[in-house]
Amino acid sequence: NAGVTQTPKFQVLKTGQSMTLQCAQDMNHEYMSWYRQDPGMGLRLIHYSVGAGITDQGEVPNGYNVSRSTTEDFPLRLLSAAPSQTSVYFCASSYSTGNTEAFFGQGTRLTVV
Amino acid sequence: GQQVMQIPQYQHVQEGEDFTTYCNSSTTLSNIQWYKQRPGGHPVFLIQLVKSGEVKKQKRLTFQFGEAKKNSSLHITATQTTDVGTYFCAGPESGGYQKVTFGTGTKLQVIP
Repeated sequence: NAGVTQTPKFQVLKTGQSMTLQCAQDMNHEYMSWYRQDPGMGLRLIHYSVGAGITDQGEVPNGYNVSRSTTEDFPLRLLSAAPSQTSVYFCASSYSTGNTEAFFGQGTRLTVV
Repeated sequence: GQQVMQIPQYQHVQEGEDFTTYCNSSTTLSNIQWYKQRPGGHPVFLIQLVKSGEVKKQKRLTFQFGEAKKNSSLHITATQTTDVGTYFCAGPESGGYQKVTFGTGTKLQVIP
């Protein structure tokens, strides 16, 4: 049972480039979310999804897009990378909404130069 | 929007000393969850509290949920080097289970 899988683990982008962070879970969880982690600021919610075809914005959605075409996958797209998006990104899933235990992926460390 | 603050931000303790981190939300929470993140790792779920005034224990860890469901605490008795990491509280606003806000975290260092 792989749990939540994120790829890549590390990425360096140039300002203005676009890329997609992949997230997949094999636990048949309905709820998935993306967080970014910056020093001293905890984990901030970027986007979340309560099921296939349904997404919504979190606390810091600007500069990011998401889609949820299947239950398993929840990719995060950076449209035009900026140095302010340098961070560690975590994908998480839980059985249903925020009322239950969240399982996190290993994280993606992104540097934008 | 909802804000969840934790204090202290950092704590250094001698091995064997006790440690407490406090979590305060700007809004009433449906429930409170606690996570531990080891250095270089990802957050791992520890526990969830749901009821007002609830207290739960896991070995040397004691978790409390405030009467008003706006604050919580995690107390570790007799810290060990394996307790090193960052502890986060998290929870959805009361009545809404979709947006889960994480606290700012408390980084614990244990000096052997």
